Amino acid sequence: DTAVSQTPKYLVTQMGNDKSIKCEQNLGHDTMYWYKQDSKKFLKIMFSYNNKELIINETVPNRFSPKSPDKAHLNLHINSLELGDSAVYFCASRGTLEVGTDTQYFGPGTRLTVL
Amino acid sequence: DQQVKQNSPSLSVQEGRISILNCDYTNSMFDYFLWYKKYPAEGPTFLISISSIKDKNEDGRFTVFLNKSAKHLSLHIVPSQPGDSAVYFCAASAPGGGADGLTFGKGTHLIIQP
Repeated sequence: DTAVSQTPKYLVTQMGNDKSIKCEQNLGHDTMYWYKQDSKKFLKIMFSYNNKELIINETVPNRFSPKSPDKAHLNLHINSLELGDSAVYFCASRGTLEVGTDTQYFGPGTRLTVL
Repeated sequence: DQQVKQNSPSLSVQEGRISILNCDYTNSMFDYFLWYKKYPAEGPTFLISISSIKDKNEDGRFTVFLNKSAKHLSLHIVPSQPGDSAVYFCAASAPGGGADGLTFGKGTHLIIQP
């Protein structure tokens, strides 16, 4: 009964390929996020989606595109993969803002390796 | 430019003793702070949080202290247990409903020794 799930957990692919990572949350949350954890272990925000509307995009190359078919899903599509895209990607979600709480719940991560 | 800093990459504590993990921030706009725990090959798990209107929040063995004037927060775990061994991330958010996501520190690897 996973709250935030991601598939696949591991993804190994060649440079130049296009790939997608799927994310689903069953928490009824209305905001979803994608984070990247690089080789230096920093977790950095990439995108957030609220009610199918992109809120932010933190200097991420346009090869990366989030796609949200509905409120429960936020998939990450990556075109023309590069070696530097190798990282662990985490999906997260957050409910409607309540005063004083911005708690986000994370998926298990997808380790992407570009060869 | 790191807005959230965890200056101790690792910390080793004896089982049963108190673990204290520290975090400093530079952005005075941050008004909500969280601690996440992460095991290898898993996603970060929410542990405890604190709003900037408070200076302490307690949940069982976990207590978070916030010192706004020093822009410093700490997580106390007492007593420490073997299952507490993990990487702990400090995170912060600014007003706006978290639309900008969370800003994370680099993490502290806590090792509980038997």
